[in-house]
Amino acid sequence: NAGVTQTPKFRILKIGQSMTLQCAQDMNHNYMYWYRQDPGMGLKLIYYSVGAGITDKGEVPNGYNVSRSTTEDFPLRLELAAPSQTSVYFCASTGTADSNQPQHFGDGTRLSIL
Amino acid sequence: QKEVEQNSGPLSVPEGAIASLNCTYSDRGSQSFFWYRQYSGKSPELIMSIYSNGDKEDGRFTAQLNKASQYVSLLIRDSQPSDSATYLCAVRHGGGTSYGKLTFGQGTILTVHP
Repeated sequence: NAGVTQTPKFRILKIGQSMTLQCAQDMNHNYMYWYRQDPGMGLKLIYYSVGAGITDKGEVPNGYNVSRSTTEDFPLRLELAAPSQTSVYFCASTGTADSNQPQHFGDGTRLSIL
Repeated sequence: QKEVEQNSGPLSVPEGAIASLNCTYSDRGSQSFFWYRQYSGKSPELIMSIYSNGDKEDGRFTAQLNKASQYVSLLIRDSQPSDSATYLCAVRHGGGTSYGKLTFGQGTILTVHP
């Protein structure tokens, strides 16, 4: 059972570089989410999607972009990396927005911007 | 601004004791409440969910919800060193436009010492 798969697991970027964090789920979930977690903090929502072609901003979207061309994939794009984007990024999914459905998390991507 | 606050840590308890983790939330429309456990360097793992006022027990874990006081707690009985982790409280908001989004608290670090 793959669940939610994130790649890469680790990455170091230079300031101004760009990259895409990949997220894929094999549970046919409509709802997908990107979070960032800074040291000693909880998770903050960056972007979310309710289905293919439908995305919206979360709490901290600045500096990021997303797309959702398929149900399975929800990549997160950093266009001009900044040191403030050094964080651990988690992708999550859930099948429905019903109250009793938890979110399933990937293993995360640790990103350092130097 | 929907906020979730957890009791400040870190919390240290001896092995075999009861650990009590607390969480308050600001949005009265919140409908579902989750406790995630996160080991260092790992992704959040769901351990409890609760939707109705009262207590919900699962093994050594008991979640308590009081919607009138906007308060949710997690009790861990017979604490073990393997329970040492960060515990994240997450709240799902109600309504058709919530899209299953969660708001997380900042986490409480629990250490169980032998």
